[in-house]
Amino acid sequence: QVTLRESGPALVKPTQTLTLTCTFSGFSLTTTGMCVSWVRQPPGKALEWLARIDWDGDKYYNTSLKTRLSISKDTSKNQVVLTMTNVDPADTATYYCTRVVRQLINYYYFYIDVWGKGTTVTVSS
Amino acid sequence: SSELTQDPAVSVALGQTVRITCQGDSLRNYYASWYQQKPRQAPVLVIYGNNNRPSGIPDRFSGSSSGNTASLTITGAQAGDEADYYCSSRDSKGSHVFGGGTRLTVL
Repeated sequence: QVTLRESGPALVKPTQTLTLTCTFSGFSLTTTGMCVSWVRQPPGKALEWLARIDWDGDKYYNTSLKTRLSISKDTSKNQVVLTMTNVDPADTATYYCTRVVRQLINYYYFYIDVWGKGTTVTVSS
Repeated sequence: SSELTQDPAVSVALGQTVRITCQGDSLRNYYASWYQQKPRQAPVLVIYGNNNRPSGIPDRFSGSSSGNTASLTITGAQAGDEADYYCSSRDSKGSHVFGGGTRLTVL
């Protein structure tokens, strides 16, 4: 059974750096085709994809947020860490950790198949 | 453009069929996936690769794609299907992208 659990501060002050940790089980980030992504959802708004790290270390970022985001992995701990610098009240959201799998359907196709329950982060002074 | 556009809200009578659409240039080249999100819950994958259902998803959920439009069809909608539905695909650089979501109301 694949599970992902997000952890991190519930409240962050503007301009600070937010660090979120995803601890997962049921799969390994050393397995070819396995990846982890972060997705966020501001209150009452749509999902927004943030970043992805792949089994081979490749990293992808939301173009609009790329300068503020960093994603890393610790395969020995089954953890992925997302950092976001210089947070703003607009970053208030529920942050989800997700598993992404690569599947060959005419071409290599990546999609989110499992979501964590999410962690709520409020940015406020 | 990497944007995906969805109708904000759709309604369907109980037991009837509803189609939720997602439009975007990237859909001409890349597969779509669909997620169901009920209030105060994390999203759940219901369709991937345009028209594949994960195990455990009822067969009343189906997907299709043509040109720049992907569709999620619910045949025989149930009260429990009332939720927000999001499409997702990728852009040319490999980044994931989500649509703005469609709120489905079952009347």
